[in-house]
Amino acid sequence: AQSVSQHNHHVILSEAASLELGCNYSYGGTVNLFWYVQYPGQHLQLLLKYFSGDPLVKGIKGFEAEFIKSKFSFNLRKPSVQWSDTAEYFCAVNGGAGNMLTFGGGTRLMVKP
Amino acid sequence: GAVVSQHPSRVICKSGTSVKIECRSLDFQATTMFWYRQFPKQSLMLMATSNEGSKATYEQGVEKDKFLINHASLTLSTLTVTSAHPEDSSFYICSAMTGIDGYTFGSGTRLTVV
Repeated sequence: AQSVSQHNHHVILSEAASLELGCNYSYGGTVNLFWYVQYPGQHLQLLLKYFSGDPLVKGIKGFEAEFIKSKFSFNLRKPSVQWSDTAEYFCAVNGGAGNMLTFGGGTRLMVKP
Repeated sequence: GAVVSQHPSRVICKSGTSVKIECRSLDFQATTMFWYRQFPKQSLMLMATSNEGSKATYEQGVEKDKFLINHASLTLSTLTVTSAHPEDSSFYICSAMTGIDGYTFGSGTRLTVV
């Protein structure tokens, strides 16, 4: 069975600080990897995804993530956060049969203006 | 892009009654839909995978007789919470597979059982 671990449950940053959210997964086969964002009171939105190819993936709103296969990691980064990035971030993995997504526990990011 | 419409967004029901939540794919056909449950300040937990025209596949620990899933058409899946109890109060989210982004999510339904 696949599982996803997000190391940081709560992160508080000041505007313009750099962000890195950790995500590790466990699954022995080929995986598709996703980062989703959930703004307060809103539904999940896709930030970026990795299916294959260049392991450095660029997403919307200045986010990027790097797939490191040897470390089973897919960390999310943003060089300079804004107050509007305050939200909850979920890493998710799709591997194996069934096509279902397995989500990490989420990281709640608060950016102070 | 692909849109999934989920209704209602909020529902309050009395203990012992049943509640139906609808999930519609608006501009694409969704052969497979997923139902998740999200507890406050927690992640999404997959409840079941809904396949059009066949029985849903439930995750371990999810009561299939309590959470009835019907996927009778390529654009509609429903989740019915039967004989609801306060512990069923939660945020329920549906998702459908798409060809572009992989998955698209409904806006969720907040169920409160009183």
